[in-house]
This record gives sequence, structure tokens and C-alpha cells, in this order.
Amino acid sequence: QKEVEQDPGPLSVPEGAIVSLNCTYSNSAFQYFMWYRQYSRKGPELLMYTYSSGNKEDGRFTAQVDKSSKYISLFIRDSQPSDSATYLCAMSAATDSWGKFQFGAGTQVVVTP
Amino acid sequence: NAGVTQTPKFQVLKTGQSMTLQCAQDMNHNSMYWYRQDPGMGLRLIYYSASEGTTDKGEVPNGYNVSRLNKREFSLRLESAAPSQTSVYFCASVRTGPPGEQFFGPGTRLTVL
Repeated sequence: QKEVEQDPGPLSVPEGAIVSLNCTYSNSAFQYFMWYRQYSRKGPELLMYTYSSGNKEDGRFTAQVDKSSKYISLFIRDSQPSDSATYLCAMSAATDSWGKFQFGAGTQVVVTP
Repeated sequence: NAGVTQTPKFQVLKTGQSMTLQCAQDMNHNSMYWYRQDPGMGLRLIYYSASEGTTDKGEVPNGYNVSRLNKREFSLRLESAAPSQTSVYFCASVRTGPPGEQFFGPGTRLTVL
């Protein structure tokens, strides 16, 4: 079983809807939680990250971490066609070498006009 | 400021052929990583280099070798390519310190026939 599980989608939503993405994990040592966005035929780019539990908001994006349930979420409000991409979660234990993250398989999101 | 560059962008090999994938970063980062990305598998770490002069195996190192030529450059070599190595390869440069943000190159699409 993978340490990080993520529904591959595709997830299709109409423009303006809320997109809800999530990942589950099994390693309770994970402390850093990241979301990367990857456009087709491009490299991933960091969207946002959180440390330990709690919420973090950045514009239309909100990241949530529930360590008790080993579950993280990313919400995209007022979704736009430009949000169409694959979203990868990534996580790391604080004791790991910086940058050694376990990635989810990615969820493909399609926002239709 | 080019960030992370990778060459070539595309490559087709025959089984048994060898090739080297090149990666360079201009952000003065110490750590660099090589991943492969396959459908449904997410990003899997092949090798990483925490600093100039050091390299370590990741999750899927078999069939690959790496060289950290200097602080800027990190190459990945396939000595005898196999069809199972058909994949998209990403190089990443890692910002020092938490959370270890990774900056990815544009990728190399490799097909082994």
C-alpha cells in the first residue's frame, strides 16, 4: 500500500464551482504538507504548503490538514478554466532531509466554461 | 533567470541503448533530485544529491546512475535502456530549509522501444 493515496480523477466541474481535492496518508510522522499544480506537459509548481495541522488560505485556495484522520484537503473557490491541471499532494516527515517528499499520484481537474 | 533546465525534451531509444539526461539550475541550491512520473504512480524519486559531491538512491534507482558534476548540474544516465524506463523524467532543485520547496524542470519524455 502506498504511503500517500490520492484519487486520480478526472474531476470535472463547471466554472465558478468549488473544487475539493484530498489525500490520505499512513505515515503519522509526516509534518509538512504541500500541494503542487501541474499543467499538461509541464513540471509541477508549488501552490501552497502547511506545517502540521490547521488551515491555510491564499486567495481562492485553502489547504486543510487533519492529522488525527491522516487526511489533507485543497479547496479551490470560484474555479476558473485556468485552474484545469493535475494537482499533486506531497508530504514529508520533519526529520527527513529537506525536500524528500512522498507524492500522491495526482488528481486531474477540468473546469469547463 | 532560467530556473531549472533539462535537455533533451524528447528522446526515443532502442532497448539496450544508453543516454544521459542533463539538468542545470541557476538558483544556487544545494540539493537536486531526479524523479520519474508514470500514469497512476505519481512522482517517484530515482536519485538525489543533497550537496555537491554527494548522491544517494531514492525509491527506484535500479537501471540508473547519476553524477553531480558541480553545484549547478546533475545528470541522470541510463546505461542500457529498457522499455520499463519509458517515462517522463523531471529534475528538481530544492530550496534550502523548510519546507524544502522543489523547483521542477520542464521534463524529458523518454520512450524506449
